[in-house]
Formats: sequence, C-alpha cells, structure tokens
Amino acid sequence: AQSVAQPEDQVNVAEGNPLTVKCTYSVSGNPYLFWYVQYPNRGLQFLLKYITGDNLVKGSYGFEAEFNKSQTSFHLKKPSALVSDSALYFCATRGTGFQKLVFGTGTRLLVSP
Amino acid sequence: KAGVTQTPRYLIKTRGQQVTLSCSPISGHRSVSWYQQTPGQGLQFLFEYFSETQRNKGNFPGRFSGRQFSNSRSEMNVSTLELGDSALYLCASSLGQGREETQYFGPGTRLLVL
Repeated sequence: AQSVAQPEDQVNVAEGNPLTVKCTYSVSGNPYLFWYVQYPNRGLQFLLKYITGDNLVKGSYGFEAEFNKSQTSFHLKKPSALVSDSALYFCATRGTGFQKLVFGTGTRLLVSP
Repeated sequence: KAGVTQTPRYLIKTRGQQVTLSCSPISGHRSVSWYQQTPGQGLQFLFEYFSETQRNKGNFPGRFSGRQFSNSRSEMNVSTLELGDSALYLCASSLGQGREETQYFGPGTRLLVL
C-alpha cells in the first residue's frame, strides 16, 4: 500500500534560519508526492508536488522540496523561516484509485522570533 | 477563480441525529473528494465522486454516504451520529483526469457531536 511517514511531530526553528520538514515514502510505481500546509481552523493549502523530472521542486511562499529516490525521501525546505510559517505541514501521496490522497501524520512547525 | 466552498462551517449535533454537509468545487472541476480529520486518526479518505458517480471509497461504515449533482456540487451525509464522528470534514476538488493532478481543499466543516 502507498504510504508516507513524517518522523517528527514538531520542528522548532528560529526566524531567519533554514527549515526542513521530513517525509519518507513507500510507493509502488511512479511516486506522486505532495506537500500541504494547514493553518489553525483552516483547510489544507497546496504548497508543491513532485510528479517527475527535476529532483528539486519549487512551490508557493518560498518553499521547495527535494526528491531523493535512493533515500525514498521528499523533504520540505525553506532557506529562511518566517514566524508566519508556523503551521501544520502534511506530506501526501496518491493512494489506490484515482484521486485518493494518503497523508502522513503531520509535522507542526514552530518558528520563534 | 473562486476556491472550494463548504457549508456550514460549524455544526453541533447530538448522538443519533443525522447531518448533511455541502461542498462546491472550483468551477470546471468534476472530481470531489471528502476527508475526515481527527486528532487521533489524522486525515482519512472517505470517498470520491466524479461525474455524479462514486469512483472510490475509503474504510468508513455505511453511515457515511455522499452524492454529487450534475453541477459537480457534492453533499456528504452521516446518519446515526456517534461521538467519534466529531471531526473536521474537508472536501477537495480537482479536474479528476489524472493522478498527477493537484487537489484543492475547502476550509472544512467542523462537526461536534454531543
């Protein structure tokens, strides 16, 4: 079965420092991988996705993600964190069937001033 | 383009009642998927509708059902509510043509069952 894992429940980083939110995947076939962010009392906002091609994917709000096939990872990165980046981040992959998304457990990012 | 809209945003019900949630997808999107988000189980896929047909279903009891109308709007119904049904219910829309597509989510309906 397709799955993703987010090994960290919470990541703490100081404003201005680089941030990384980790995700590993277990997928048969082509890996379709997504990152979403959720702010309090809001739905999920799409950040970026990997379909095929370049291993470095650029997304919204200055975020990027690095696809690594040998390590089966798809880590989310940002060169300089903002306090406003504090939120819950979800990695996801396609499940069986057309549009089903299978989500990781989420990582809470806390950026301190 | 307007985003995905969900109504109502908040709902309080008592055990045994039923509830209907509504989702309007982005214009032109024909696929609507529903997800349940709880602190314990995380984000779980409920079902997906495409062109008024249920195309995929998650592992939820038959109390959870849905439908899609010809304008792609979708409703989700939960009958005989249980305390454990308290959750944030999210719907997402996409064109529905391929697995590489992005799903765009609405703000969710927060259901509290007392």
